[in-house]
Amino acid sequence: AQTVTQSQPEMSVQEAETVTLSCTYDTSESDYYLFWYKQPPSRQMILVIRQEAYKQQNATENRFSVNFQKAAKSFSLKISDSQLGDAAMYFCAYRGRPLIGGGADGLTFGKGTHLIIQP
Amino acid sequence: DAGVIQSPRHEVTEMGQEVTLRCKPISGHDYLFWYRQTMMRGLELLIYFNNNVPIDDSGMPEDRFSAKMPNASFSTLKIQPSEPRDSAVYFCASSLGGGGAGSLSNQPQHFGDGTRLSIL
Repeated sequence: AQTVTQSQPEMSVQEAETVTLSCTYDTSESDYYLFWYKQPPSRQMILVIRQEAYKQQNATENRFSVNFQKAAKSFSLKISDSQLGDAAMYFCAYRGRPLIGGGADGLTFGKGTHLIIQP
Repeated sequence: DAGVIQSPRHEVTEMGQEVTLRCKPISGHDYLFWYRQTMMRGLELLIYFNNNVPIDDSGMPEDRFSAKMPNASFSTLKIQPSEPRDSAVYFCASSLGGGGAGSLSNQPQHFGDGTRLSIL
């Protein structure tokens, strides 16, 4: 079974600074997707960014970018120019191939990192 | 466009009562997922459906839990009888399958706002 580990229960950063959230995962598959989701106090689950394992280029979405190291099974999230609205729980998630056939499968989540933005 | 709609948003009930959580996926999505979030165990997949058919229910904790998807626009998660340890936030998510036959889907999951369930 796949596992996802987020080793930082909590991180704090000054507004406008850059912060990196860590994520490692364990899998024997070669084809999979990785995601970062944001959960603010409203408890919505908001997709931040996704990475396809077969793509070497790191994904970017505005101020959010990832450092994907497939061999090391590492998938960190970098937030540049941190804003107060970035304060939330951040979850790293893995999705692999279903047991049968193709299509979609459920997500395996890490335990999350609580990001605090200091004004 | 309407997102995934869950109801109720909050549910408080006494131990032993039947609880029914409801979900309406995004129109056109052929996958539906139920997750549970607790402080101790984090976010866990309970069950998911493809084209209304349950595909993987290995995450359902015990026989007290059941899920159905009678049509493409509605799913329920039922707990009977409920216990205090079932208290959690329950999320429903939906996605498109995407990809070709045997291919891995590249479509993200879209989550509802969750139901906070408290069993007294």
